[in-house]
Amino acid sequence: GAGVSQSPRYKVAKRGQDVALRCDPISGHVSLFWYQQALGQGPEFLTYFQNEAQLDKSGLPSDRFFAERPEGSVSTLKIQRTQQEDSAVYLCASGTSGTYEQYFGPGTRLTVT
Amino acid sequence: AQSVTQLDSQVPVFEEAPVELRCNYSSSVSVYLFWYVQYPNQGLQLLLKYLSGSTLVKGINGFEAEFNKSQTSFHLRKPSVHISDTAEYFCAVSDYKTSYDKVIFGPGTSLSVIP
Repeated sequence: GAGVSQSPRYKVAKRGQDVALRCDPISGHVSLFWYQQALGQGPEFLTYFQNEAQLDKSGLPSDRFFAERPEGSVSTLKIQRTQQEDSAVYLCASGTSGTYEQYFGPGTRLTVT
Repeated sequence: AQSVTQLDSQVPVFEEAPVELRCNYSSSVSVYLFWYVQYPNQGLQLLLKYLSGSTLVKGINGFEAEFNKSQTSFHLRKPSVHISDTAEYFCAVSDYKTSYDKVIFGPGTSLSVIP
């Protein structure tokens, strides 16, 4: 079956632009996570959804970051007024609650110039 | 707060040689432990996980890891590596008290298999 997909795979934005990153989780997966992975680092937790409810957004670095999952399926991570420090790979993962197995998408590489 | 340390940022090893990638964690509560692998330009993939039971955990692609509570370690091993094992490996931890499957990742170890 289809895995987690993310689009776009690559995004170049000028500083100050808004961007929207999309995640299509595996069908039926209740849990959805967003991570930020800087070059040479491990993924850093951003936010967690259980169905459409955003239960944890403690990892979002600033109020310029916003995530939603309105129908409990597709999720969008939005970054407003992008800054150079936002340049990273943004990973999405989905899973079945309680199994501790997360299935990752290929990521979106965001470069802010 | 939980944290994960991977002491070796890069590990070069010859093909068919054994390898051990080290992972230590800090947590004040009991934990679940994981190893993920990231191949170039791909997403992370779960190699193995320890939730309970036997402290020796076997995963995919011939990898295994041993949970050592007294040393707070979860080292990953493979007796004979292949070129295709070249990838980034991440150790991760989650604690029992979290109400959902939140996982904290280490900084990663880059394994390079030399032909």
